[in-house]
Amino acid sequence: GQNIDQPTEMTATEGAIVQINCTYQTSGFNGLFWYQQHAGEAPTFLSYNVLDGLEEKGRFSSFLSRSKGYSYLLLKELQMKDSASYLCAVRDSNYQLIWGAGTKLIIKP
Amino acid sequence: SAVISQKPSRDICQRGTSLTIQCQVDSQVTMMFWYRQQPGQSLTLIATANQGSEATYESGFVIDKFPISRPNLTFSTLTVSNMSPEDSSIYLCSVGPGDTEAFFGQGTRLTVV
Repeated sequence: GQNIDQPTEMTATEGAIVQINCTYQTSGFNGLFWYQQHAGEAPTFLSYNVLDGLEEKGRFSSFLSRSKGYSYLLLKELQMKDSASYLCAVRDSNYQLIWGAGTKLIIKP
Repeated sequence: SAVISQKPSRDICQRGTSLTIQCQVDSQVTMMFWYRQQPGQSLTLIATANQGSEATYESGFVIDKFPISRPNLTFSTLTVSNMSPEDSSIYLCSVGPGDTEAFFGQGTRLTVV
């Protein structure tokens, strides 16, 4: 079956750095996505990786290793507004998105 | 990019009734997706709506319970029929991902009492 694993919850301090990991086992791979979702709102796009390596976008970076079935989202200079759930999703061979359960990130002052 | 207008944003409904959720996209798209997100859970795909053909439902979802319309390339509806409290959830429509990302409507928060 298809499976995406990410930690259920993480806590970090304002101003610090946090890394959210995602491992996946899917039937084919056509890209990996990270989304941010604040409570009660729809997910918003953060990043997309299809090749191995690091993609940087401001305070957020995302890394992919296809051989290991592994990705991480790195958030720097954490702000209180970064408190949200972070969803990892993989596009499989049928171009369908398979979603992880999400990681709830709690930022403390 | 795509902008999706979804309504209603929330509703409280009596059990046994039905609710229709609408999504309007600002551009023509081939496929639209309907998701359910239960509290504290991730997104579960209900069905894929294709213009001009019947929707394709995922395992555990049936057309009688979640009928979908797709009359043109910019619009779709999802009906939640004969509702029970277990149907209380957030329902999201989505398009894509195309090359890089999927776009979502604002979501419909449904409470069945």
